Amino acid sequence: AAGVIQSPRHLIKEKRETATLKCYPIPRHDTVYWYQQGPGQDPQFLISFYEKMQSDKGSIPDRFSAQQFSDYHSELNMSSLELGDSALYFCASSLGVLLSLDTEAFFGQGTRLTVV
Amino acid sequence: DAKTTQPPSMDCAEGRAANLPCNHSTISGNEYVYWYRQIHSQGPQYIIHGLKNNETNEMASLIITEDRKSSTLILPHATLRDTAVYYCIVSYNTDKLIFGTGTRLQVFP
Repeated sequence: AAGVIQSPRHLIKEKRETATLKCYPIPRHDTVYWYQQGPGQDPQFLISFYEKMQSDKGSIPDRFSAQQFSDYHSELNMSSLELGDSALYFCASSLGVLLSLDTEAFFGQGTRLTVV
Repeated sequence: DAKTTQPPSMDCAEGRAANLPCNHSTISGNEYVYWYRQIHSQGPQYIIHGLKNNETNEMASLIITEDRKSSTLILPHATLRDTAVYYCIVSYNTDKLIFGTGTRLQVFP
């Protein structure tokens, strides 16, 4: 079965550069979530989208922005990168938002971002 | 944010059942309990979720107490590949998953 696809899998950037991470949800899924996981940390929620509209926002830095496109894929844009942004970034997708439906979210394999 | 309590670590012998507890005493009536696991920096893997009834799928069983204040994830025959961090998550009136610290399960031969 098709899963959540994230690209690239690995990314190395220098400080102050920008990065764009992409997420392709499971077909027919309309909700996308972004998470950041630093070394030795648990995944932290960044932001989510439902039907191309932002549905919730967590501890996402102002330097980061995201959107969901008409084909439901999502992109996380990160500017003025800092060393502390080095982390695993996971995307998840679900059919409908978790609160309102008996549904589950599936995660991609993540993008490992290294800022040097 | 979600308030679930899990033991930080557990051991289990290969082939035995692994029973992972979770307390969620402030859960409300319409909130689901989700279980995910993460195997060494891979994406979190969905295991099972439930509302009030016990649930079973090909991976595990979920036992939720009648008052819904706690639950237990059961891996009936643990294997070495089940070594992972297991997260018990309650949505707590938000449409996102809030990860706590989880239980690090070590399955040994």
